[in-house]
Amino acid sequence: KNEVEQSPQNLTAQEGEFITINCSYSVGISALHWLQQHPGGGIVSLFMLSSGKKKHGRLIATINIQEKHSSLHITASHPRDSAVYICAVTPPLIDKLIFGTGTRLQVFP
Amino acid sequence: DTAVSQTPKYLVTQMGNDKSIKCEQNLGHDTMYWYKQDSKKFLKIMFSYNNKELIINETVPNRFSPKSPDKAHLNLHINSLELGDSAVYFCASSQTTSGGGYNEQFFGPGTRLTVL
Repeated sequence: KNEVEQSPQNLTAQEGEFITINCSYSVGISALHWLQQHPGGGIVSLFMLSSGKKKHGRLIATINIQEKHSSLHITASHPRDSAVYICAVTPPLIDKLIFGTGTRLQVFP
Repeated sequence: DTAVSQTPKYLVTQMGNDKSIKCEQNLGHDTMYWYKQDSKKFLKIMFSYNNKELIINETVPNRFSPKSPDKAHLNLHINSLELGDSAVYFCASSQTTSGGGYNEQFFGPGTRLTVL
């Protein structure tokens, strides 16, 4: 069993829909990251959070430390949001990322 | 302005050869990493360096040897390439905080290695 689990693995949506991707982890963490991998392969960091909630444009990330769970929300989804979204955690005192298996999102017009 | 760059972008080679992948960052970060993304798109850390010192070596075969000539560069040399080394290799960098914490990582574009 992976230390970081994501659901769903695949997600399709119509343009404009509200999207939620979930991440659960089984290890202690100092931070949780949400990354986006474009169809062309590049990886971009969307959020790094250790508590509460962060918002950037149409993207919102939340984390519940007690439940070891995080969610990434996309409001008013758009075809350009189509990508793989990867949850990753940084363990305490160790500077590395432990990755989830990713969620492939396709948004259709 | 490219923040984290890798060369080459594609590398096709025969089994048994030795090859290198180069990574450079112009962000002034003090920590650099190599990650491997396998055929199932799963990412896993291989190495991290902080100020040219090896910090993490995640049970990678010793055919893989990272080298950091300065804190802006982290190269990956692979000896005696095997079929299973075929993957996408990502370099990344970050800056440790003054309190010893960690910041977000910036990734290079990846190098797709194919071993025939």
